[in-house]
Amino acid sequence: DAGITQSPRHKVTETGTPVTLRCHQTENHRYMYWYRQDPGHGLRLIHYSYGVKDTDKGEVSDGYSVSRSKTEDFLLTLESATSSQTSVYFCAISGGAVGQPQHFGDGTRLSIL
Amino acid sequence: QQPVQSPQAVILREGEDAVINCSSSKALYSVHWYRQKHGEAPIFLMILLKGGEQKGHDKISASFNEKKQQSSLYLTASQLSYSGTYFCGTEISNNAGNMLTFGGGTRLMVKP
Repeated sequence: DAGITQSPRHKVTETGTPVTLRCHQTENHRYMYWYRQDPGHGLRLIHYSYGVKDTDKGEVSDGYSVSRSKTEDFLLTLESATSSQTSVYFCAISGGAVGQPQHFGDGTRLSIL
Repeated sequence: QQPVQSPQAVILREGEDAVINCSSSKALYSVHWYRQKHGEAPIFLMILLKGGEQKGHDKISASFNEKKQQSSLYLTASQLSYSGTYFCGTEISNNAGNMLTFGGGTRLMVKP
């Protein structure tokens, strides 16, 4: 199994609070991704990173920011959480550019009340 | 734009075959297939590359029609362990970030 650890695995918080999710990998892969998964929508890309301090927006980036200060860590921050951000969040990693598989972490279930 | 998967759901008896389709409106470089069991992470199954050969392992195989921008996943002699939701992820050409756009999923249930 790819060495990907997401933390926390579960979190319940209130609207308006900041939330940070962490993805840690031990594979030394260049590419890292954050997805959210909601019923009926499949997996949607929030942000991705193609190297240390190199990030870009995905399909549903509004309300989220990311940072990558080390190869192994990719952080997703909700500056002021809203109920619409209640979801399951998955981190994924990939070793190359085009045509490479992505491997997923176990996910973080986030509930915003 | 999200690729379209069909059917949305299918119920099989053990030993039966199934086909799951994935169709895109964009020119594709590759199609990735994943399976996800309830409460777990998606697990990579295989990649179909433009110009590549049909892939497969065990009783699961897939094809990629580049002209139609369609891929199909074939599950032969299904086993109980095949149950789960199958997602295709499409990668467009010249995609330097290896970004995937996922379909909405096909829920497969295999019954004894």
